[in-house]
Amino acid sequence: DAKTTQPPSMDCAEGRAANLPCNHSTISGNEYVYWYRQIHSQGPQYIIHGLKNNETNEMASLIITEDRKSSTLILPHATLRDTAVYYCIVSRGSQGNLIFGKGTKLSVKP
Amino acid sequence: DAGVIQSPRHEVTEMGQEVTLRCKPISGHDYLFWYRQTMMRGLELLIYFNNNVPIDDSGMPEDRFSAKMPNASFSTLKIQPSEPRDSAVYFCASSLWGEGGYTFGSGTRLTVV
Repeated sequence: DAKTTQPPSMDCAEGRAANLPCNHSTISGNEYVYWYRQIHSQGPQYIIHGLKNNETNEMASLIITEDRKSSTLILPHATLRDTAVYYCIVSRGSQGNLIFGKGTKLSVKP
Repeated sequence: DAGVIQSPRHEVTEMGQEVTLRCKPISGHDYLFWYRQTMMRGLELLIYFNNNVPIDDSGMPEDRFSAKMPNASFSTLKIQPSEPRDSAVYFCASSLWGEGGYTFGSGTRLTVV
């Protein structure tokens, strides 16, 4: 599975959009981009995933560049409860396993 | 659905003792994963099952670790004998092929003294 690169930490003001970047320049054609988050002491939580089209659900939006070498997770209106470590993972879906990196620690501040 | 259920939530044991961690996946899910999380190494995949069959156990640290899935609704991770370096949070997760993501349990915090 391809490797990802994320900034170690980011800050965001409450109520503003949080844009979390991820580089995955070695992604293969059959690999998906997954995003998970882990709030302190809890199990990781699935957020969203995509192959090449942009995706949106009730939690977030995922923007994947046309060359698929990078993506951005967007939390449109961040709240204090969104403070967590966010993991970007590239995987072949259910037939591949999820390899977690260090992620981005997002701090949402009042 | 109650989600992925792990037990116990916390376990403190003495070095050399056997430890058994338990997991009940979401009903109908066909994949089950065991992860371990420490500050030093982050989240590590230990083993995963598909339809109760172990597919990849390359992440199991050594022979002291073993995992079983006797049926679709139950899995165990056993450490025998336990060592202080096994202290970590152990997560179980399940998923359904073709669907979005994994659902993780709340984890078991293991402390070996």
